[in-house]
Amino acid sequence: NAGVTQTPKFQVLKTGQSMTLQCAQDMNHEYMSWYRQDPGMGLRLIHYSVGAGITDQGEVPNGYNVSRSTTEDFPLRLLSAAPSQTSVYFCASSPNGGGGHTSGANVLTFGAGSRLTVL
Amino acid sequence: GDSVTQMEGPVTLSEEAFLTINCTYTATGYPSLFWYVQYPGEGLQLLLKATKADDKGSNKGFEATYRKETTSFHLEKGSVQVSDSAVYFCALAPWGFKTIFGAGTRLFVKA
Repeated sequence: NAGVTQTPKFQVLKTGQSMTLQCAQDMNHEYMSWYRQDPGMGLRLIHYSVGAGITDQGEVPNGYNVSRSTTEDFPLRLLSAAPSQTSVYFCASSPNGGGGHTSGANVLTFGAGSRLTVL
Repeated sequence: GDSVTQMEGPVTLSEEAFLTINCTYTATGYPSLFWYVQYPGEGLQLLLKATKADDKGSNKGFEATYRKETTSFHLEKGSVQVSDSAVYFCALAPWGFKTIFGAGTRLFVKA
């Protein structure tokens, strides 16, 4: 199994350009999410989805859009890139949720990451 | 709100030294706790987990015990290897769908 696949691995944009980071998983996971990783700040949740057709905002959603038309795919769109969006982006999935005491403590499977630089 | 605090790095150790990386958390209810590891150029992967108080998670010689009374989940290993050099993240998953991560601690192990 490929697990979670992210593309592209590297991308350089100019301020104001738009782009889409792709994420696909082949594990039939219901839950998918996007995080950004910045030095000294750990991972911060951008958006997440609990199933096809359902998305919700995380901690830092501004400047990003998502959609979930299929179980497998969860693309992240930057509509007008800004230098503050320079970061490493990770897509992650889990079978049916991000945790909880009685949910079985679902474990996240991560993609390899996408490094984005906005000039 | 819920949060995770872990010791700042980098931590530099010699091979076969004892490792402790401290992690404390703030959460309502009874979250599950995790340690994830990130090797250079890769995504995060689960190292170990614990789902309730007094549970001990273990994997690859690493251990962590869920301490509700001290709201802690410290990571330990008795004898580190060069191959353990990585960034370690403590995380909690409260009720719901949002896993919260600490800032990460970078570990360097010298031969």
